[in-house]
Amino acid sequence: DIVMTQSPDSLAVSLGERATINCKSSQSVLYSSNNKNYLAWYQQKPGQPPKLLIYWASTRESGVPDRFSGSGSGTDFTLTISSLQAEDVAVYYCQQYYSSITFGQGTRLEIK
Amino acid sequence: QVQLVQSGAEVKKPGSSVKVSCKASGGTFSSYAISWVRQAPGQGLEWMGGIIPIFGTANYAQKFQGRVTITTDESTSTAYMELSSLRSEDTAVYYCARGGEGAAAGTHGYWGQGTLVTVSS
Repeated sequence: DIVMTQSPDSLAVSLGERATINCKSSQSVLYSSNNKNYLAWYQQKPGQPPKLLIYWASTRESGVPDRFSGSGSGTDFTLTISSLQAEDVAVYYCQQYYSSITFGQGTRLEIK
Repeated sequence: QVQLVQSGAEVKKPGSSVKVSCKASGGTFSSYAISWVRQAPGQGLEWMGGIIPIFGTANYAQKFQGRVTITTDESTSTAYMELSSLRSEDTAVYYCARGGEGAAAGTHGYWGQGTLVTVSS
């Protein structure tokens, strides 16, 4: 199985500041035949199911604010929130779908 | 608008089985993958397995092989997840989620509301 490791486990950022969450896969999730990274990001708020934010490592899901962006390739990926809003407090998960499906352990994002 | 509605909470004894349903509405049911993901209290997300109804063959995470069965009923647009030999560690919220098209089958844009399964003697 591909192991997904996120860092940090938790993060506190001031409102309006940038938040950065990292995700590393134990093997590449870049599929050479279509040059796509099989990597998604989700946001989960308490008592709710996860919400898809980003897929193909950098494609924003419809309706997701443009302050959310994804980057990276191969084994190293980043989710960036450019200007933190109060409603962004949540746990964020990366997930690979290159080989079966596995999630990272989650990163808890709070307001400083 | 795609909606996934799951069956209600369950309380089960250790050693028994549970079967959770997930009824889809809006959109095409047969062509999209349905995954089952669980979340133990205060823990992260864990993929259990998935199925594309039109193909009918489920794939399971190695951890759950032999203990989980995922099926679908295309006539009612419903997916099912049955977990057997329950133990206390299986206490969790179980979610169904719909995948995207084609190569994006592993991205989950739609989720059910979750079903709490409590395993307790």
